[in-house]
Amino acid sequence: DAGITQSPRYKITETGRQVTLMCHQTWSHSYMFWYRQDLGHGLRLIYYSAAADITDKGEVPDGYVVSRSKTENFPLTLESATRSQTSVYFCASSPRGVGYEQYFGPGTRLTVT
Amino acid sequence: EDQVTQSPEALRLQEGESSSLNCSYTVSGLRGLFWYRQDPGKGPEFLFTLYSAGEEKEKERLKATLTKKESFLHITAPKPEDSATYLCAVQAYSSNTGKLIFGQGTTLQVKP
Repeated sequence: DAGITQSPRYKITETGRQVTLMCHQTWSHSYMFWYRQDLGHGLRLIYYSAAADITDKGEVPDGYVVSRSKTENFPLTLESATRSQTSVYFCASSPRGVGYEQYFGPGTRLTVT
Repeated sequence: EDQVTQSPEALRLQEGESSSLNCSYTVSGLRGLFWYRQDPGKGPEFLFTLYSAGEEKEKERLKATLTKKESFLHITAPKPEDSATYLCAVQAYSSNTGKLIFGQGTTLQVKP
């Protein structure tokens, strides 16, 4: 039972490059989320998805793009990476979203130089 | 504005020394309060969900309680393996998305 996986686990990229972080879950959960975790800010929601082809912005969406063509995958793309996007990114999923717990992946540590 | 504040930021305990972590929240209607444990370099691990004041949940040495303004995570006779950062999060009725609002966390160190 793999649960929720993220790749890559570590990534170093340069300012201005496009980078995609992958998230895959094996539970067939409807809801999926992307968070970033920074010292001093805690975990903040970037984007979420209630189902395949349904996505919406969270608290800090600027500079990010998401897609969800299949229930199990929820990639996050940084269109033109900036140093302020250096962070640890967590993907999460939930069977029913509202009122229910979310299950987190292991995270991707992204450094933008 | 919906907000979650956790205290203390850091806590050091001797093995067997019981204590409590606090999570104070301000939210426009609480849909649920969630406790997570996070180990260094890993994602948050779900512990408990509390929905209404007076509710309590237990798991091994951990017990979570909820009032109308705050939640406590009580740790009874902790062991070194309980060392981690404990995160509190709330979900508001104003959100129909399942969005979680997280506190900054309490980092617990239990010394043998």
